Amino acid sequence: RKEVEQDPGPFNVPEGATVAFNCTYSNSASQSFFWYRQDCRKEPKLLMSVYSSGNEDGRFTAQLNRASQYISLLIRDSKLSDSATYLCVVNSGGTYKYIFGTGTRLKVLA
Amino acid sequence: SQTIHQWPATLVQPVGSPLSLECTVEGTSNPNLYWYRQAAGRGLQLLFYSVGIGQISSEVPQNLSASRPQDRQFILSSKKLLLSDSGFYLCAWATDSGNTIYFGEGSWLTVV
Repeated sequence: RKEVEQDPGPFNVPEGATVAFNCTYSNSASQSFFWYRQDCRKEPKLLMSVYSSGNEDGRFTAQLNRASQYISLLIRDSKLSDSATYLCVVNSGGTYKYIFGTGTRLKVLA
Repeated sequence: SQTIHQWPATLVQPVGSPLSLECTVEGTSNPNLYWYRQAAGRGLQLLFYSVGIGQISSEVPQNLSASRPQDRQFILSSKKLLLSDSGFYLCAWATDSGNTIYFGEGSWLTVV
């Protein structure tokens, strides 16, 4: 089983739609969680950290479920500019390692 | 503010040739440093990480090596490249507290 798993997609959604991505992780000792965005042929960039109580940043909402070992990302009112690959990232405290999921591709259609 | 740079941005190398990718971080001290590789259509694979000068941990057995000669310098090398070494190589840094990891712009390597 992979340490971090994501549905690769692609998710093709119309502008204005709400879309949700899930990510599962296998290491119950994981302590830090993030969502990154990666545009084609570019480096990944931090979208948002994921906190235990859930957090929101504008149109983006992240949730963490430690009991079921998954995190989620909800994008409301999708924009064309949201088209990218979204990477789930998990850091297991004390190991210095950041483990990336393979990413979920999102394409927002006009 | 902290910045990270890596170079070269793009290179095309013949099979069997050597490789050297360099990465430097500015604006922070004693960062944890990382090399990742992303093959076409694949996820990021952790290759090496370093928690201090001269300290290198290897994640995947391969013909690549890494060195950290200075606190904020990380180098990825190979003596003889294979076709399978082609990919997008990313250097990254993070603090010791498990917070955000930041990436350089990446280096595209094509082995021909």
